[in-house]
Amino acid sequence: EAGVAQSPRYKIIEKRQSVAFWCNPISGHATLYWYQQILGQGPKLLIQFQNNGVVDDSQLPKDRFSAERLKGVDSTLKIQPAKLEDSAVYLCASSLSYGSNQPQHFGDGTRLSIL
Amino acid sequence: DAKTTQPTSMDCAEGRAANLPCNHSTISGNEYVYWYRQIHSQGPQYIIHGLKNNETNEMASLIITEDRKSSTLILPHATLRDTAVYYCIVSVQGAQKLVFGQGTRLTINP
Repeated sequence: EAGVAQSPRYKIIEKRQSVAFWCNPISGHATLYWYQQILGQGPKLLIQFQNNGVVDDSQLPKDRFSAERLKGVDSTLKIQPAKLEDSAVYLCASSLSYGSNQPQHFGDGTRLSIL
Repeated sequence: DAKTTQPTSMDCAEGRAANLPCNHSTISGNEYVYWYRQIHSQGPQYIIHGLKNNETNEMASLIITEDRKSSTLILPHATLRDTAVYYCIVSVQGAQKLVFGQGTRLTINP
C-alpha cells in the first residue's frame, strides 16, 4: 500500500512570510496527525483529526498555525506569519481510526527553514 | 501519559542482538508500551507494542517485566540499516496520543 505522502520535501522562507504543507494519508485512514520535530528532539503533536473533525489541537499555536481537512482525506497545515523558531520538520501521520489499536504511519516530513 | 526513561545512546555490533531498555515506572494499567524508530531524514516507523505479555513480530521482540515498570526491545540480528533513534512511548490504547521523548540513538557497527 502507498504510504503517507507529504509535500514539499523542503521549504525555505523568510520570517513573517506564510507557508503551507500538504499531506495525503494512507487510503482509508480516518485519523490524521500533524507533528512538529525540532532538530534534536522527538516529534511533538500539533493537531489530530478524526475524518474532518478536530480531536485535539491543544498544542497548536493558533495565533499563527492553522490546519484543515475539509473532505476528511487530504490535509494542509499553514503557518502565517512564520517565526524563526518555526524552523523544524513537519510530519504527517495517519492511522486507521481513533480508538483502534492500529499504529500511526508517518510520512517523511517537510523540512522548513526560516531565514 | 506516563513518562519513559531511555539511555541517550547505545552501540551494537552487526549481527548481534540489540537490547534497548526503557523504564516506565509510573505506567497505568490501561497504558500500552509502543516502540517506534526514526532513521535519519525519515519519519518515525512503528515497530511493536504490548500491554503486559511479551510480543514478537517480524521486526523485533518486546519483553515487558511482570510489574510493567520496564521493558526491553530486542532486535535479534542487528544490521547497519537498524541504525536509528528508537523511541519508547507509553500511551492509552485507542487514544493514539504519542508523546515522544528524546529516544535512544542506536548505532550498529560493522
